[in-house]
Amino acid sequence: NAGVTQTPKFRVLKTGQSMTLLCAQDMNHEYMYWYRQDPGMGLRLIHYSVGEGTTAKGEVPDGYNVSRLKKQNFLLGLESAAPSQTSVYFCASSWAANQPQHFGDGTRLSIL
Amino acid sequence: ILNVEQSPQSLHVQEGDSTNFTCSFPSSNFYALHWYRWETAKSPEALFVMTLNGDEKKKGRISATLNTKEGYSYLYIKGSQPEDSATYLCALRSNSGYALNFGKGTSLLVTP
Repeated sequence: NAGVTQTPKFRVLKTGQSMTLLCAQDMNHEYMYWYRQDPGMGLRLIHYSVGEGTTAKGEVPDGYNVSRLKKQNFLLGLESAAPSQTSVYFCASSWAANQPQHFGDGTRLSIL
Repeated sequence: ILNVEQSPQSLHVQEGDSTNFTCSFPSSNFYALHWYRWETAKSPEALFVMTLNGDEKKKGRISATLNTKEGYSYLYIKGSQPEDSATYLCALRSNSGYALNFGKGTSLLVTP
């Protein structure tokens, strides 16, 4: 049972580089979310999607872009990475807004 | 951004003890409350989604109650076991959007 799969699991970037984090779910969920986890803080929502082709900003969207071209995939992009974006990124999905969210294993991203 | 407070921040109990912790939130914005369990090196796992005032949910030795009028939820663990050691997160969905606002969690350590 794959559930929610995040790629890659670890990455080190230099300031100014770009990269894309991939989230894939095989549960046919409509809703998908990207969070970041920083020490001493709760999970904070970056962007989310309520269906294929839709995206919306969360609490901390600056410096990130997202796309949901296919229902099963939700991509998080960093166009010009900054050290402040060093974090652990979690993707999640849910069948509906009031249903439990299923989380991936996280991507640990370090920006030097 | 809604302020979701969890207390205590951390808790250390002996095997067999029963314990409980609190999630507080602004009652005027309530739509749903989620509880998640997050073990070290794993991803958050959904425990409960609660929507109605007075809701009580149970899963094995873990149960939760909800008071939307006063803005709090309790999570109870009966007869704690070492495998219950984890961080327990609550998250509020407000009536103005789809996003979940997470608290910082209560870290529980159960020692034999």
